Amino acid sequence: EVHLVESGGDLLQPGGSLRLSCGASGFTFSSYWVHWVRQTPGKGLVWVARIKGDERSMNYADSVKGRFTVSRDNAKNTVYLQMNSLRDEDTAVYYCARGAYHLYYLDNWGQGTLVTVSS
Amino acid sequence: QSALTQPASVSGSPGQSITISCTGTSSDVGAYNYVSWYQQHPGKAPKVMIYDVSNRPSGVSNRFSGSKSGNTASLTISGLQAEDEADYYCISYTTSSTYVFGTGTKVTVL
Repeated sequence: EVHLVESGGDLLQPGGSLRLSCGASGFTFSSYWVHWVRQTPGKGLVWVARIKGDERSMNYADSVKGRFTVSRDNAKNTVYLQMNSLRDEDTAVYYCARGAYHLYYLDNWGQGTLVTVSS
Repeated sequence: QSALTQPASVSGSPGQSITISCTGTSSDVGAYNYVSWYQQHPGKAPKVMIYDVSNRPSGVSNRFSGSKSGNTASLTISGLQAEDEADYYCISYTTSSTYVFGTGTKVTVL
C-alpha cells in the first residue's frame, strides 16, 4: 500500500526558514515524481513544486520560486521542501503527493503538515 | 500562473446531475488533455476522481465523468448522493511544466 507522511510543520516568524519532509513507502520511490501542494485553512489548493524521481528535474510555482527548494534522498525514500524567507501568506497545510507513473496527475496524497507563519 | 476559474458553489438534489466547470487558458487547460479532478471532504486529503480529462481511476464510481472543450474542462456528477457533498478542484498541467489548480467548488446536496 502506498503511504506518504509529511512532517516538520511548525509555528515561526516571518523571514524564518523551515524544512518539511515527506516519507514514502509501498512503492519504488525513485521511479516517481513527488509534488508539494499547500492549502491555506479554509481556502483552496495551490500547487507548489515537484521533483522527478531521478532528482534531475524540479519545477516551482512562481509564488515560491527563489524561496523554496525541493530535494529528495532516494536512499531514505524521502522528499524535502526547504522553505526560506517565509511570509504570512505561506501559512498553510502542506501536502506531499505522488505523481502517477508516466501520467500527469497526483494519485496518492499524505495527510499534510501545518506551517504557521506569524509574528 | 492564475488559478483556473471554477464556480464557488453548485448544488443539487439527490439523484440529479450537476456539472462543475473549470476555465483556464491556452497555456494550461487548452494546451493538453492533462486535466484532473479531486474531491476533498473536510479535514481530509484530496482524492483523485478523474484524470486526463475523462479517465476514472480504479474504484471511482462511474457516476463521475469528465470532458473538455477548448479552454474549459467539466466534471459531471450524475445520480447525486449525500456522500458527494464535498469540495471539488480541477488541476491542469501547463506549458511551463508546472501545474495550476482551480479555485474550488463546494458541492451541496440539498
